[in-house]
Amino acid sequence: QVQLQESGPGLVKPSQTLSLTCTVSGGSIRSGGHYWSWIRQHPGKGLEWIGHIYYSGSTYYNPSLKSRVTISVDTSKNQFSLKLSSVTAADTAVYYCARAGLIVVVPAAIWFDPWGQGTLVTVSS
Amino acid sequence: QSVLTQPPSVSAAPGQKVTISCSGSSSNIGNNYVSWYQQFPGTAPKLLIYENNKRPSGIPDRFSGSKSGASATLGITGLRTGDEAAYYCGTWDSSLSAGVFGGGTKLTVL
Repeated sequence: QVQLQESGPGLVKPSQTLSLTCTVSGGSIRSGGHYWSWIRQHPGKGLEWIGHIYYSGSTYYNPSLKSRVTISVDTSKNQFSLKLSSVTAADTAVYYCARAGLIVVVPAAIWFDPWGQGTLVTVSS
Repeated sequence: QSVLTQPPSVSAAPGQKVTISCSGSSSNIGNNYVSWYQQFPGTAPKLLIYENNKRPSGIPDRFSGSKSGASATLGITGLRTGDEAAYYCGTWDSSLSAGVFGGGTKLTVL
């Protein structure tokens, strides 16, 4: 079964770029039919969709983060990555990667399964 | 502020049934499918329901989903103390072209 694992620095300085990688095992990113997503959760708060990517490189981003977010995919390593620039303390959160089912034609649908275990990223000097 | 609105908390006794609501608008729930997630403290969310009322393999039929207009409901029957968790609804918002979630509902089994 497909498993996902986030990796990257747990501490990032303000104004710098947060970089995380999600490694997919038990299945191929190139298998198609799914998107590969990033979701975050501020401490004690709800879930926030950041964006996702198809293996071909097609991306969707949260409009509220779009100017600072880049999601990329490396099919040779079965990985996808998140970069969030110009971070502030408000970007401190647990970051999850997840596989997404997506239908964009109405009635549209999106669901996330499975999820990685999540990684806490703290923005602080 | 979350795009989808959920009650912050609900409670019920063991063995009873509880419902958790999720309200949105025509750009999201009103015209699109809803998914539901269960999250225990310190762990990643887990998919319970997708496409309004479908259960992934391994999810017991004590969990059910429904939708009417721009609102959706998660139902849990035969409550157990092990069901105490936060529950989130999610969907695609066609106006935003974005995934959106509710703020989450904490379930307490008294």
